Amino acid sequence: QKEVEQNSGPLSVPEGAIASLNCTYSDRGSQSFFWYRQYSGKSPELIMFIYSNGDKEDGRFTAQLNKASQYVSLLIRDSQPSDSATYLCAVNSGGSYIPTFGRGTSLIVHP
Amino acid sequence: GAVVSQHPSRVICKSGTSVKIECRSLDFQATTMFWYRQFPKQSLMLMATSNEGSKATYEQGVEKDKFLINHASLTLSTLTVTSAHPEDSSFYICSARRRGGDYNEQFFGPGTRLTVL
Repeated sequence: QKEVEQNSGPLSVPEGAIASLNCTYSDRGSQSFFWYRQYSGKSPELIMFIYSNGDKEDGRFTAQLNKASQYVSLLIRDSQPSDSATYLCAVNSGGSYIPTFGRGTSLIVHP
Repeated sequence: GAVVSQHPSRVICKSGTSVKIECRSLDFQATTMFWYRQFPKQSLMLMATSNEGSKATYEQGVEKDKFLINHASLTLSTLTVTSAHPEDSSFYICSARRRGGDYNEQFFGPGTRLTVL
């Protein structure tokens, strides 16, 4: 059973702070890792993906992957109230390319 | 590009009726479409994977006779919830993988909120 674990939160941070969201996965053969943002009542939208160990930056977002620890994180710099949403971590294992989603972490950015 | 639409966006029906949800890729051809269900404060649970012109592959625990999936063309897949019951009330989301695109990439539709009375 492939599992993707996230703390459900909510994670509350002040505006302008760095929000750190974490995700662990059970399948050591996993190869692709995704972060989605989902606003209430809406479908997920892709923020970024990462395939290799290390950091990947895209604007205010940085994804960090550590395959040895089976851990992927998302950092959001200069958090804005509009970043308040649920963040879903998704992990693809090799072969099927069908992701397993975590339950998501609720982020609240307060002014 | 890579827009996926769903229709209807919201549906309310009586218990025992059937409901059809359409998923369309508007500006690309989708070799594969996925159907997910999401209950409140839960993650997306994959129900089935459909490839154009072939039978859908259902995930364990999903009744194929209750959730009928048809992927008749490279731009359209439909999910029919037959004899819907209140426990089927959920948020149904489709996604599509683009023909010739990155296998890891899927584009989500806006979702359909189903409420069964």
